[in-house]
Amino acid sequence: QEQLVQSGAEVKKPGASVKVSCKTSGYTFTGYFIHWVRQAPGQGLEWMGWISANSGDTKSPQTLRDFQGRVTLTRDTSISTAYMELSRLTSDDTAVYYCAAVIAGQGHIDYWGQGTLVTVSS
Amino acid sequence: QSALTQPASVSASPGQSITISCTGTSSDVGGYNYVSWYQQYPGKAPKLMISDVTKRPSGVSNRFSGSKSGNTASLTISGLQAEDEADYYCCSFTTRSTLVFGGGTKLTVL
Repeated sequence: QEQLVQSGAEVKKPGASVKVSCKTSGYTFTGYFIHWVRQAPGQGLEWMGWISANSGDTKSPQTLRDFQGRVTLTRDTSISTAYMELSRLTSDDTAVYYCAAVIAGQGHIDYWGQGTLVTVSS
Repeated sequence: QSALTQPASVSASPGQSITISCTGTSSDVGGYNYVSWYQQYPGKAPKLMISDVTKRPSGVSNRFSGSKSGNTASLTISGLQAEDEADYYCCSFTTRSTLVFGGGTKLTVL
């Protein structure tokens, strides 16, 4: 059974950074792209980027968005875990952050993590 | 990358059918057959309902179907049931190898 298990909820102060982990099991980690999607309270889904679990290549939205340059995606293949770090947090970054797995060569998300609530508050 | 355009809400009575549209551009919806649809209940992670425009994953009811014409994709739910009340999001792969979501549609079963 494929599973993505994320780290627990975080409370951060404005200007700080947060790092969310996503541990996968049940499938070959390097055969997937791990995407990160966030959802602010009462809002829709917002794609943040992906990392190839195999090569470590990353891709993020190419617009002047709030998190342009603030998102760092990494992975550790030895423990089948992906990470998303978001820096220079503001209250607008308060959201549930999901990791999600896409099979290499496919264009849809097969599996989702349970979500991690990140609250940014002074 | 602008979000795909979906209606904010739709509603219908049990047993009826509804269609949710998802409009993009030739750089996303119109450029690939990689349109997917997700169902999300409050407080839960999204669930894949349709992949590759028309494919239904194992376990998803055949009351759910997808289609596409040009830059607009659609999700149709027939024989509405109370359990279908949820938020629905479309998603497309893009020519820049990114993903883009629609704004979401809240389905109310009256």
